[in-house]
Amino acid sequence: DAMVIQNPRYQVTQFGKPVTLSCSQTLNHNVMYWYQQKSSQAPKLLFHYYDKDFNNEADTPDNFQSRRPNTSFCFLDIRSPGLGDAAMYLCATSTGLEQETQYFGPGTRLLVL
Amino acid sequence: LAKTTQPISMDSYEGQEVNITCSHNNIATNDYITWYQQFPSQGPRFIIQGYKTKVTNEVASLFIPADRKSSTLSLPRVSLSDTAVYYCLVGDTTPETSYDKVIFGPGTSLSVIP
Repeated sequence: DAMVIQNPRYQVTQFGKPVTLSCSQTLNHNVMYWYQQKSSQAPKLLFHYYDKDFNNEADTPDNFQSRRPNTSFCFLDIRSPGLGDAAMYLCATSTGLEQETQYFGPGTRLLVL
Repeated sequence: LAKTTQPISMDSYEGQEVNITCSHNNIATNDYITWYQQFPSQGPRFIIQGYKTKVTNEVASLFIPADRKSSTLSLPRVSLSDTAVYYCLVGDTTPETSYDKVIFGPGTSLSVIP
């Protein structure tokens, strides 16, 4: 089945140790998004790609970076994770056409020790 | 940005119809209204989308009045498995881009009681 895949489902890292979260899609969608969702809060958009065009949300910390080497894959890099970065990280895709819905992956839960 | 307001939480008994209303007073002319469902430890899942009047699919109905300043998600005969957070979103189409990004509001946590 076509889908959005996130690996791993759970990631543990140490304070200040760089970590990379992965997302892949078989939907061949143009747009890929990264969201951060903390406990009992709504998902918060960090950034998104339209093809190779990167769009950063104004309030996304510099500590968060992203790479999209090809259509299928997108990575979230956290350069120096702090305790406050512990959250669920959600990847989503959409076609990029007007008002098209987003398809979400299952998320990666990040724990920072 | 079109901001949305929803009740924080709702309780319902199994078998009842549940209506969740969302306010979006500054919705733009081109914006659609989309509802997502999210279970714990899962990504949000699309439920329904509409622009005006009424939309119905196999899961839910969406009622949108003529002024489009609010919308109501209707879940018929809920079961325990409908316990989830429901998000109302209004499309954020920026002039600089040719695609949408949407901003999640706080969501409504629905608890279905046996």
